[in-house]
Amino acid sequence: EIVLTQSPGTLSLSPGERATLSCRASQSVSSSYLAWYQQKPGQAPRLLIYGASSRATGIPDRFSGSGSGTDFTLTISRLEPEDFAVYYCQQYGSSPRITFGQGTRLEIK
Amino acid sequence: QVQLQESGPGLVKPSQTLSLTCTVSGGSISSGSYYWSWIRQPAGKGLEWIGRIYTSGSTNYNPSLKSRVTISVDTSKNQFSLKLSSVTAADTAVYYCARDHEWLDGVYYYYYMDVWGKGTTVTVSS
Repeated sequence: EIVLTQSPGTLSLSPGERATLSCRASQSVSSSYLAWYQQKPGQAPRLLIYGASSRATGIPDRFSGSGSGTDFTLTISRLEPEDFAVYYCQQYGSSPRITFGQGTRLEIK
Repeated sequence: QVQLQESGPGLVKPSQTLSLTCTVSGGSISSGSYYWSWIRQPAGKGLEWIGRIYTSGSTNYNPSLKSRVTISVDTSKNQFSLKLSSVTAADTAVYYCARDHEWLDGVYYYYYMDVWGKGTTVTVSS
């Protein structure tokens, strides 16, 4: 089973700042199998990024994804008030075994 | 635009079977290269994938739940369903259904969940 470890657990920033969220896999993950989701309280997760770096339909270009192998990053270039939420990375392993990271909470400083 | 809606009992007794249905609207469950997944989230915790089904009936399950999970599909009703047996309090969670997209761009397969239901809360308690 591939374990995804997200860091930091909580990130405190102000609107307008840049956010960098990390997702590290316990073994190499194909980039095309790596996705990022945003979840706000009381809501279902929303797809942000697939294929490690492709934005989903309707996602603002301030969201970007990068990385390969075992290290992946979600960057939000300039935080808007609506971006404060929990972010999850996800991978599709063999079998398949789909796993999520434990999440990073992005909170207003 | 495809939408998903979970339905089922909000309260299940310990040792019984949890049964949920996801209804797909705005499109056919049989169209496209889609799997249909179930995911759950205990209160205040992260996401756990339960399993998925293709419209052919082919299934994949999380190994940690496999012995208790059955996912089925009814294409005539545009629905897919989850059964989780022998539930305990640890199965208390919000349960989501999602469209699990698989596509080939010519070289690489891409996988992601692009449409989610709003979720339904299931509590296991006597």
